[in-house]
Amino acid sequence: AQKITQTQPGMFVQEKEAVTLDCTYDTSDQSYGLFWYKQPSSGEMIFLIYQGSYDEQNATEGRYSLNFQKARKSANLVISASQLGDSAMYICAMRAGEAGTSYGKLTFGQGTILTVHP
Amino acid sequence: GAVVSQHPSRVICKSGTSVKIECRSLDFQATTMFWYRQFPKQSLMLMATSNEGSKATYEQGVEKDKFLINHASLTLSTLTVTSAHPEDSSFYICSAFPTTSYEQYFGPGTRLTVT
Repeated sequence: AQKITQTQPGMFVQEKEAVTLDCTYDTSDQSYGLFWYKQPSSGEMIFLIYQGSYDEQNATEGRYSLNFQKARKSANLVISASQLGDSAMYICAMRAGEAGTSYGKLTFGQGTILTVHP
Repeated sequence: GAVVSQHPSRVICKSGTSVKIECRSLDFQATTMFWYRQFPKQSLMLMATSNEGSKATYEQGVEKDKFLINHASLTLSTLTVTSAHPEDSSFYICSAFPTTSYEQYFGPGTRLTVT
């Protein structure tokens, strides 16, 4: 069984500063994928970044980067230069199995509500 | 990216009535779709996996007779909340992914309020 843990129910950051959101996972699968989503108050799920278990480089997408430490089973999200519009819930998720198979089921963490202060 | 739509976006119904929520993949075919439920300030909880042409697979604790899922085509899955009660009030989200992609695409969600 897969498990995702986000231990920070809420985080605060000052505008323009960087923030790290924690995510640890547990799985017995060798192949898996890790995702981060942003969910603003509107409810839509916005895909931010993806890291495959075999990817050697940490994933980056603009101001988002994923600090992937496979041995420690952690996949923390780093947001640089925070903006007021970054205030939202951030959810870490994991998909076990190869992409393109029916193993599309995602396991979600509890989420972290990020508030960016001006 | 691929687009998944949900209809309606918001619905208010009376206790005891049934409500149908549609989830459509607009520009790709999806043999599998997922239905989630989300309570305020909580993360998504998987309810069931909707499989085209076969029965849905429900997660433990989800009543299949209460939450009917039909995956009639490769682009449409429906969730029907039968005999709705106020405790069924929640945010329901569907998702799907193209078979060639690792990325899962989410619908915009449906906010159900049962009075």
